[in-house]
Amino acid sequence: AQRVTQPEKLLSVFKGAPVELKCNYSYSGSPELFWYVQYSRQRLQLLLRHISRESIKGFTADLNKGETSFHLKKPFAQEEDSAMYYCALSGLTGGSNYKLTFGKGTLLTVNP
Amino acid sequence: DAGITQSPRHKVTETGTPVTLRCHQTENHRYMYWYRQDPGHGLRLIHYSYGVKDTDKGEVSDGYSVSRSKTEDFLLTLESATSSQTSVYFCAVRGTGELFFGEGSRLTVL
Repeated sequence: AQRVTQPEKLLSVFKGAPVELKCNYSYSGSPELFWYVQYSRQRLQLLLRHISRESIKGFTADLNKGETSFHLKKPFAQEEDSAMYYCALSGLTGGSNYKLTFGKGTLLTVNP
Repeated sequence: DAGITQSPRHKVTETGTPVTLRCHQTENHRYMYWYRQDPGHGLRLIHYSYGVKDTDKGEVSDGYSVSRSKTEDFLLTLESATSSQTSVYFCAVRGTGELFFGEGSRLTVL
């Protein structure tokens, strides 16, 4: 079974402060990890995927297989970063079909 | 947006009535998904499809059925809606290694 845990429902920081959104996963195979973001009243959109190892909007995330974590980080938060963030894991089902499992999400609020 | 449209975008219905939500895509993606989004639960997979007439259950499939008679359309049906099915429903398609989401359908069951 695949599982994604985001321990923080809410996270509030001040503008310019560093931010880290935690994500831990459970999966028996080799996982593919993602971060999706949902701004107010908008559809979910991909922010990062671990295989691309790129920085988007100043966010980075490193896959740590030893700790089974994929934490999202940004050194200096901006007010426009306020959104709901979902960590997600993809893996193959028993029938070799592709399925994406999401965590429960963390609502990030960046205060002025 | 990967050419995904959901309809209706908003619906209010009464307990016990049938409801069908439609997801339409224009880019011939093989995999399509239905998720529901609820506060405190995140996104949970209801059903998904890996081809025409090929579907499988997700983690919260009870009370829902799906059909995919052609590549571009994936229908989600609530045979007899209940108040616990009040939610925002998102359709998604699988692109190149990522999911693209529709704008969501907000369903209220009174």
